[in-house]
Amino acid sequence: DAGVTQSPTHLIKTRGQQVTLRCSPISGHKSVSWYQQVLGQGPQFIFQYYEKEERGRGNFPDRFSARQFPNYSSELNVNALLLGDSALYLCASSSLNQGGREKLFFGSGTQLSVL
Amino acid sequence: GDSVTQMEGPVTLSEEAFLTINCTYTATGYPSLFWYVQYPGEGLQLLLKATKADDKGSNKGFEATYRKETTSFHLEKGSVQVSDSAVYFCALLSGNQFYFGTGTSLTVIP
Repeated sequence: DAGVTQSPTHLIKTRGQQVTLRCSPISGHKSVSWYQQVLGQGPQFIFQYYEKEERGRGNFPDRFSARQFPNYSSELNVNALLLGDSALYLCASSSLNQGGREKLFFGSGTQLSVL
Repeated sequence: GDSVTQMEGPVTLSEEAFLTINCTYTATGYPSLFWYVQYPGEGLQLLLKATKADDKGSNKGFEATYRKETTSFHLEKGSVQVSDSAVYFCALLSGNQFYFGTGTSLTVIP
């Protein structure tokens, strides 16, 4: 079975640009979360979506937005990129409806570099 | 707010040495506690977890006990191997949000 897949794996953008990152959860998982991992730090929570609705939001500016599609895949959008947005963006899926709230499976991430 | 503080690295050990990575937490309510491992170029993988006080999580020779009285969840392994070289993250789950520590890099040398 495929795990959590993210695309692209690497991305280079310049300041002020916009970026869209994509995530496909494990088959059967209805919840997707996004995390930002700056080099040398632990992942920081950005968003959680369940059944296409936002269920949680971390302390990130409005330049960050996300959505979940009917097939449970998700996109993370970041507008007006700043140098400080350079990080590894991790997507994680879980199956909340089976009591699997704690079973979080991570993708390999998208490495975003802002120049 | 909820948070996790873990021992800073990097940690370098010889093969078969004993490993301890300290982790303490601050949380309202009764969080679940986790250790995740990240190998180079990969995403995070769940190593072990504990959902209530005095629970012991274990996997691949690693152990951690949920200590409510000391708000700790220290990771231990009796004999590390070269293949254990990775970054280890302590985390807590409060509500639907995970809070991660800053990670501890472990290098095991033959």
